[in-house]
Amino acid sequence: AQSVSQHNHHVILSEAASLELGCNYSYGGTVNLFWYVQYPGQHLQLLLKYFSGDPLVKGIKGFEAEFIKSKFSFNLRKPSVQWSDTAEYFCAVTSNQAGTALIFGKGTTLSVSS
Amino acid sequence: EAEVAQSPRYKITEKSQAVAFWCDPISGHATLYWYRQILGQGPELLVQFQDESVVDDSQLPKDRFSAERLKGVDSTLKIQPAELGDSAMYLCASANRNYGYTFGSGTRLTVV
Repeated sequence: AQSVSQHNHHVILSEAASLELGCNYSYGGTVNLFWYVQYPGQHLQLLLKYFSGDPLVKGIKGFEAEFIKSKFSFNLRKPSVQWSDTAEYFCAVTSNQAGTALIFGKGTTLSVSS
Repeated sequence: EAEVAQSPRYKITEKSQAVAFWCDPISGHATLYWYRQILGQGPELLVQFQDESVVDDSQLPKDRFSAERLKGVDSTLKIQPAELGDSAMYLCASANRNYGYTFGSGTRLTVV
């Protein structure tokens, strides 16, 4: 069965600091990988996704993620965070069969102080 | 931009009562998912539909939860009877053939 592990439960940063959130997945086959963000009181929004090709994926709001197949990892990065990045971040995985449900990690809460 | 509609937005119910949530997916999305998100955790899949058929309900507590999508469009998730541990956010999502998943705003259930 697929599973996703997010290492950091709560990350606290100051504005302009760099961010890296860890994500590891467990699955024997080809996967599609996603990062979602959930701002307080809002619905899940897609930050970026990886299906194939260049393992460095750029998303919205200056976020990027790198797929390292040998490490089963898909870490999220941002060079300089802003107060508005305060939110909960979820890594998710599906198999490469269309329609497969997203399996989520437990999430990482990011708090950015100004 | 098309959205997944969910109602109600908030629901407070007493333990042992019945409660129902409704979801209207994006038009044309054949696949529909119900997730439960407990505070501080990631969403967990409850049930997946392909058109009107259940594809996966292995994580649905079938003694009290039921879900249907009769015409392959909108869907209803029911809990009867509700228990205190059911307090959570219930999310609906739909997907197209190209892994375009869209989530609704969810229904926040509080069981008292």
